[in-house]
Amino acid sequence: DSGVTQTPKHLITATGQRVTLRCSPRSGDLSVYWYQQSLDQGLQFLIQYYNGEERAKGNILERFSAQQFPDLHSELNLSSLELGDSALYFCASSRGHDTGELFFGEGSRLTVL
Amino acid sequence: AQKITQTQPGMFVQEKEAVTLDCTYDTSDQSYGLFWYKQPSSGEMIFLIYQGSYDEQNATEGRYSLNFQKARKSANLVISASQLGDSAMYFCAMREGSDTGNQFYFGTGTSLTVIP
Repeated sequence: DSGVTQTPKHLITATGQRVTLRCSPRSGDLSVYWYQQSLDQGLQFLIQYYNGEERAKGNILERFSAQQFPDLHSELNLSSLELGDSALYFCASSRGHDTGELFFGEGSRLTVL
Repeated sequence: AQKITQTQPGMFVQEKEAVTLDCTYDTSDQSYGLFWYKQPSSGEMIFLIYQGSYDEQNATEGRYSLNFQKARKSANLVISASQLGDSAMYFCAMREGSDTGNQFYFGTGTSLTVIP
C-alpha cells in the first residue's frame, strides 16, 4: 500500500459527461501529480500541485481541470468527455523536497462509452 | 529533447536468467534521482529501486540492481534470476528538484516477458 488513495477505482460514463477523480496523497506529502495512461501508452503528465498551488502543466486538455485543497487532497475534473479520454488516471505524491520517490495510487480507470 | 529514453519497447528473457533494461536520461541538474517502476497487467505502478545522483554505489534491492553510469547518463535496471511474475511493463523515471517541488519524467516503458 503506497498510502495514496484514489477514488473511484473504476468509472464508466457516456460521451459529453463530466467526472471528478479524487486523490488523497500520502501523509506529509505536499506535491500531487496527475498522469494519464491510455491503452498501450506510457504515462502522460497532466498537472502538478504543490501545497495547494499549481506548479507545472503538461499535456492537459482545456476540458480538464484540477485543484489541490487546503487539506492537500486533489481533484481532477474531466468534462465534455470523449471516447479518447478513456484511460487509467494516476495520482501520485511526493514530499516536495530533494529526496524521495513518487508514490502512486492504484489509479482510476475511466471508460467513456 | 527527451528527458528519459527507453529504447527497448519489448524484451524477452528465459526464466532464471538475468536481463538488463536500458535507460538513458538528460539533465543539467547536479542533484537528481533515478527510479524504476514496474507496472503489471493489473495496472498499479510499483516502485522498484532508487538511485541518487550523488550515490557512488549502485543501488540494489533484492533481485533488482541499478547500473548507474553517470558520465554516460545511463541508469539500466538489471533483474537477476528472472521469474514469471516479473513479466510486466517497466518504466524508468527521473526526478529533478526545484524550490517548489519535484518534477518527474517517465520513459515510454519496456515490456518484459519472462519465458518459462
